[in-house]
Amino acid sequence: ETGVTQSPTHLIKTRGQQVTLRCSSQSGHNTVSWYQQALGQGPQFIFQYYREEENGRGNFPPRFSGLQFPNYSSELNVNALELDDSALYLCASSPGARTTEAFFGQGTRLTVV
Amino acid sequence: AQSVTQLDSQVPVFEEAPVELRCNYSSSVSVYLFWYVQYPNQGLQLLLKYLSGSTLVESINGFEAEFNKSQTSFHLRKPSVHISDTAEYFCAVSDPPLGGSEKLVFGKGTKLTVNP
Repeated sequence: ETGVTQSPTHLIKTRGQQVTLRCSSQSGHNTVSWYQQALGQGPQFIFQYYREEENGRGNFPPRFSGLQFPNYSSELNVNALELDDSALYLCASSPGARTTEAFFGQGTRLTVV
Repeated sequence: AQSVTQLDSQVPVFEEAPVELRCNYSSSVSVYLFWYVQYPNQGLQLLLKYLSGSTLVESINGFEAEFNKSQTSFHLRKPSVHISDTAEYFCAVSDPPLGGSEKLVFGKGTKLTVNP
């Protein structure tokens, strides 16, 4: 049974650019949630995808968008990057839209310069 | 909306000493509660969770947490810490409390540093 994998592990982007982060969910999990963890802060919920549909969204602007594919992997896209978007982005997968069995990936460290 | 307060941002202790990391949450109704651990440059690992039943929950590596509904607290304790316990610990609550498209609401974290 594979765990949750995220790619890339690190990347550096310039302000105004666009970025795509990827997440492969754990085998058997049909739900993916994305969180942003700024330096020195706890993770904050961005949105959740359940069976390829957005199933809840946190307080993030529309330039944060996502996709879930038929194999339940997911992408997080951020347009018009701002310096404050620099953070660790965490993906969590679960068997159903519930947090009680969520497993997190190692995260993608995004630095915007 | 749910919120979580971790009362200590940093906790330094000596090896083999006991430790308590404090967590309070905002809801007055039943909730699911979690403690996660994050080692440097890594993601989150679930340490333990309270869903229902016994108010004392334990992890496999000696940590325990007690759900206290009247005080809306879920403090994490370990009677004797090891150097390897050095990490950041996050308390989290499910939102909405027990259903729907749940998300986790996290506290700001407590950095536990175990010194020799």
